[in-house]
Amino acid sequence: GENVEQHPSTLSVQEGDSAVIKCTYSDSASNYFPWYKQELGKGPQLIIDIRSNVGEKKDQRIAVTLNKTAKHFSLHITETQPEDSAVYFCAASRGGGFKTIFGAGTRLFVKA
Amino acid sequence: DAGVTQSPTHLIKTRGQQVTLRCSPKSGHDTVSWYQQALGQGPQFIFQYYEEEERQRGNFPDRFSGHQFPNYSSELNVNALLLGDSALYLCASSLLQDRTEAFFGQGTRLTVV
Repeated sequence: GENVEQHPSTLSVQEGDSAVIKCTYSDSASNYFPWYKQELGKGPQLIIDIRSNVGEKKDQRIAVTLNKTAKHFSLHITETQPEDSAVYFCAASRGGGFKTIFGAGTRLFVKA
Repeated sequence: DAGVTQSPTHLIKTRGQQVTLRCSPKSGHDTVSWYQQALGQGPQFIFQYYEEEERQRGNFPDRFSGHQFPNYSSELNVNALLLGDSALYLCASSLLQDRTEAFFGQGTRLTVV
């Protein structure tokens, strides 16, 4: 069935360092890849997304890359700050309102 | 714009009981999806409603049912509650034709005792 694997499950970095989270997906028909940040007691919040016709997308300190051939996509956060500490989820979907499959999450700790 | 709102925020139920959770989508959105998020895990898709009909369904038993109203708001019903149904239930809304991202509510924390 459809599956999204996410690594690592926990990531601890020093403030100012970069953080990288990697995901793989199994459904070849997936063409939309959102990333969500979830803080304690809140619902997931979309931070960036990428569609299959694009290999890379950047928004300030956040960037995502997609390798459709290998079915890999990654989240890169540069110049991390303590407020980046949260759980991050990658996800994959066929788009057009089709169901979204989530990874298990990465708990990011940014130490001041 | 209030975004996606869910009620109640917390709920405690006894095994065997039934529960109804409610969701109001973001203004302008016509599609509502429900997810179950167990502690320490990613959200798992339950089902999606569009035009008052269940459009897609994940691997959840028939004890989980839903409804969408003409104003696009939605309810999630769970019958014969099990301890394993304890989780955060998330509602997400989107605009189907726009193929845009889904916006999530803050969730309803259900505890079954």
